[in-house]
Amino acid sequence: DTAVSQTPKYLVTQMGNDKSIKCEQNLGHDTMYWYKQDSKKFLKIMFSYNNKELIINETVPNRFSPKSPDKAHLNLHINSLELGDSAVYFCASSQGRVVVEQFFGPGTRLTVL
Amino acid sequence: SQQGEEDPQALSIQEGENATMNCSYKTSINNLQWYRQNSGRGLVHLILIRSNEREKHSGRLRVTLDTSKKSSSLLITASRAADTASYFCAIGGYQKVTFGTGTKLQVIP
Repeated sequence: DTAVSQTPKYLVTQMGNDKSIKCEQNLGHDTMYWYKQDSKKFLKIMFSYNNKELIINETVPNRFSPKSPDKAHLNLHINSLELGDSAVYFCASSQGRVVVEQFFGPGTRLTVL
Repeated sequence: SQQGEEDPQALSIQEGENATMNCSYKTSINNLQWYRQNSGRGLVHLILIRSNEREKHSGRLRVTLDTSKKSSSLLITASRAADTASYFCAIGGYQKVTFGTGTKLQVIP
């Protein structure tokens, strides 16, 4: 069974469009994250939710809006996509607020043309 | 920020050899973690060492932590071609971890 799943795996779109990426975890964890990995493989946290409450927002443009309908889901909506948004986006989950182990999804490769 | 700096950036070794990669950081930590990322995949947690520990083992992995030098090392012994991946240290704290710049390891069969 997939522990952390993301859809879609690939997303190719035009500048200015709006798109969403979905994430679901079946591990029973209470904390979920979104990361962005750029072309140099640098992995940067974007958001973190604990029990559906936003606890980390790392100076991400407000074109990015996360939504957590329940503890098992954390979706990412991006408005007015820009070329610089092209990257691989990873969802992850963990248990508790002291992070001891994170489980990552397979990633969504977003290409903005 | 508390980003870890890893070296080397890239490492190429023969199968059977040992691989060592290092991570340095700047401030106090709760724990330090190592992750592996195979090409095109998500990260996989390998091992965690707490700030009050100095060494930890897991299979062919050995991690050391020197809090006085603010550094950690990951040793992979008897490497295999399947160990080819990028390895990241992650500075663990309350509510989040901050990932290092990564070491790309190639193990040649």
